[in-house]
Amino acid sequence: EDQVTQSPEALRLQEGESSSLNCSYTVSGLRGLFWYRQDPGKGPEFLFTLYSAGEEKEKERLKATLTKKESFLHITAPKPEDSATYLCAVQSTDSWGKFQFGAGTQVVVTP
Amino acid sequence: SAVISQKPSRDICQRGTSLTIQCQVDSQVTMMFWYRQQPGQSLTLIATANQGSEATYESGFVIDKFPISRPNLTFSTLTVSNMSPEDSSIYLCSVWGSGPQETQYFGPGTRLLVL
Repeated sequence: EDQVTQSPEALRLQEGESSSLNCSYTVSGLRGLFWYRQDPGKGPEFLFTLYSAGEEKEKERLKATLTKKESFLHITAPKPEDSATYLCAVQSTDSWGKFQFGAGTQVVVTP
Repeated sequence: SAVISQKPSRDICQRGTSLTIQCQVDSQVTMMFWYRQQPGQSLTLIATANQGSEATYESGFVIDKFPISRPNLTFSTLTVSNMSPEDSSIYLCSVWGSGPQETQYFGPGTRLLVL
């Protein structure tokens, strides 16, 4: 059974204080690993897809990386508007279209 | 990416009643998904709804409790039947999109409170 574990559960950062979120996964065969951002009262917003170990994607202050067992979401010099819950999901090769989500990391960035 | 709307955005219901949630997409999509997100929790897949076939339910979810319709390629409904306070959740629909990125795109969610 596919499993996704995110850590930490919550993270409080000062503005400008860089940090990383972790997503560990167990899947029979990885088709893709996905990062989403979710603001309170809203649906998840797509950030990145990673397909193979060694792949990296960047968007503004966010950078996602992937190994064979885990993914990291690095937040560089965060701003208060980066406050959100960050969700990681995996899609296995034998469940086309379906995602297994982690519990998420709630990030709060204070000025 | 697909633009997805849901109705209602929120509702307060009495136990024992049913609520139907609508999901409308601005383009034709093959695969649609319904999720439940309980307070402070992550997303749990309820079912996959493909047009022209019966919905496929995940373990722990049954058609009698969560009947789904998928009449065409841009619309789906999820009904939460015979509600209890344990059904209080956010219900989200998503679609598999093949635009700039192949991924799931989510609607804004329906926030349900059952008293």
